[in-house]
Amino acid sequence: DSGVTQTPKHLITATGQRVTLRCSPRSGDLSVYWYQQSLDQGLQFLIQYYNGEERAKGNILERFSAQQFPDLHSELNLSSLELGDSALYFCASSVGGTGSDQPQHFGDGTRLSIL
Amino acid sequence: AQRVTQPEKLLSVFKGAPVELKCNYSYSGSPELFWYVQYSRQRLQLLLRHISRESIKGFTADLNKGETSFHLKKPFAQEEDSAMYYCALSPFSGQNFVFGPGTRLSVLP
Repeated sequence: DSGVTQTPKHLITATGQRVTLRCSPRSGDLSVYWYQQSLDQGLQFLIQYYNGEERAKGNILERFSAQQFPDLHSELNLSSLELGDSALYFCASSVGGTGSDQPQHFGDGTRLSIL
Repeated sequence: AQRVTQPEKLLSVFKGAPVELKCNYSYSGSPELFWYVQYSRQRLQLLLRHISRESIKGFTADLNKGETSFHLKKPFAQEEDSAMYYCALSPFSGQNFVFGPGTRLSVLP
């Protein structure tokens, strides 16, 4: 058990809808990272938050947004969903945020299926 | 920009054979490098990091700065080693992690 909790485990919805994925980091970790893993794209970094502030941005679409709350949990919002958004979304956390030299601990992921 | 390449998408070896998963990186400074493993239907787990120079589950990886490589090796592969392996780079400059595309290791009986 990595200590990173993601909910829900599975999500099935339709195109055009909006969903929210939730992540609770390990106790003591200040950074939260979001990744998208699909069969054809591999593991793609989306965004990182550190202590409530956006720290780094990767290949995140404008339809997607995220935030980190004062209790350090994070939410990833996906809107106007398309079939291609079907993927496994991982959250990871680490102690640090500057230098990024800390290993990341991953959650079990949320499997999003768009019908 | 930093980049991680893993030239093999799939690597199949027989049980007991040596295995080497290749990882090359491009980065102008001195990054920290990691190997993550993802077993079937499980989360990514940290396998090892170069800074700690440890051996986990029989795997080792040596950072070769001259060749900018961080290949993962195991002398005798086991069936339970079958998994997806990701090499990752973390620059010390505050930028985000970069993961390689991954190599699927299949250890045949």
